[in-house]
Amino acid sequence: DQQVKQNSPSLSVQEGRISILNCDYTNSMFDYFLWYKKYPAEGPTFLISISSIKDKNEDGRFTVFLNKSAKHLSLHIVPSQPGDSAVYFCAATLNYGGSQGNLIFGKGTKLSVKP
Amino acid sequence: DTAVSQTPKYLVTQMGNDKSIKCEQNLGHDTMYWYKQDSKKFLKIMFSYNNKELIINETVPNRFSPKSPDKAHLNLHINSLELGDSAVYFCASRRSGRAQGDTQYFGPGTRLTVL
Repeated sequence: DQQVKQNSPSLSVQEGRISILNCDYTNSMFDYFLWYKKYPAEGPTFLISISSIKDKNEDGRFTVFLNKSAKHLSLHIVPSQPGDSAVYFCAATLNYGGSQGNLIFGKGTKLSVKP
Repeated sequence: DTAVSQTPKYLVTQMGNDKSIKCEQNLGHDTMYWYKQDSKKFLKIMFSYNNKELIINETVPNRFSPKSPDKAHLNLHINSLELGDSAVYFCASRRSGRAQGDTQYFGPGTRLTVL
């Protein structure tokens, strides 16, 4: 039972254009969301996060939007660069009981940015 | 300086063997994790541990056991390896406390292949 879903396994974008990666979740108790970027043979690298009390967080070329009513978040990358080509994981966490901040990941979306 | 390191990077072994994967973090974090990325690329939490509490994902077989000699290390021991244990294992760490956010920092992963 997937609590975090990334329904697009892959996305191809032209360099300079906007990349939009989507993520849906089912657990309304999630209170923090993160995006990780992963290159082959490396560990996931933290990219950007957002608290459930916000609807937008921006960091340079990366912006994450959160729509709590729709249980949906998205990552916008603009402008996209070839070096952004990687697998992007959406993750969520909740803080109650003994969760200790465990991350629950989506399956990832492979982004290819073409020159 | 590598923030979260794992050894070995690759591990090939026979069914039935016992093996260990080491993890060290030099970030001063007090919570560490082990995740498993299976053949379907799902990243799933196996354990979370701080100096007070070990939380085990109930789906993890008891052949897997984390051992923490000190706050900077969380090693993963696996007994009686099975074919289905083949996966990439990631260690991660975080500074506990919500003021720090929930960002976890990941190691480069250990690819385990059981023959």
